[in-house]
Amino acid sequence: QKEVEQDPGPLSVPEGAIVSLNCTYSNSAFQYFMWYRQYSRKGPELLMYTYSSGNKEDGRFTAQVDKSSKYISLFIRDSQPSDSATYLCAMVGITGANNLFFGTGTRLTVIP
Amino acid sequence: NAGVTQTPKFQVLKTGQSMTLQCAQDMNHNSMYWYRQDPGMGLRLIYYSASEGTTDKGEVPNGYNVSRLNKREFSLRLESAAPSQTSVYFCASSRQSTNEKLFFGSGTQLSVL
Repeated sequence: QKEVEQDPGPLSVPEGAIVSLNCTYSNSAFQYFMWYRQYSRKGPELLMYTYSSGNKEDGRFTAQVDKSSKYISLFIRDSQPSDSATYLCAMVGITGANNLFFGTGTRLTVIP
Repeated sequence: NAGVTQTPKFQVLKTGQSMTLQCAQDMNHNSMYWYRQDPGMGLRLIYYSASEGTTDKGEVPNGYNVSRLNKREFSLRLESAAPSQTSVYFCASSRQSTNEKLFFGSGTQLSVL
């Protein structure tokens, strides 16, 4: 079983839709949770960073962590064509980037 | 402000050839990393350098070597390329090794025939 599971999609939605992207994990020691956005032929860029359970909002993006269910989500409101990208979840228990575990990514297309 | 710069962007090698992937960052970060990204496998850490003068193995180090040339530069070398090393390679940096907020380069697409 992989440490982090992520539905690869692809996911296509119309412009303006609410998008929900999800990851599940098996290691209860994970405490820091991240979402990276990766445009085609580019490197990932950090989008959201959260610690422990709860919600964090940044503009149209909301990251949600449910440690009891070992489940994290990224919500995108009023989705735009510029949101079309692959979204990677990442998480770590013991702090340190060398201990990061990444999901395989979900490819999202927002149709104008 | 360039961030993390990788060269080359594309490379085709024959089995057994060697090459070095170059990476430089201008953010004065202490820690640098090399990842490979394969379909269905996600990002996997090859090697990392927590600080200048140190390097450590990651999840998939076999077939690779690294050099932390100075604080800015971290290179990845394939001594004898194999088809299994066909992948997209990303260099990343972070302020400290305890900081998970990574800044990535644009990647090198490598094909080994």
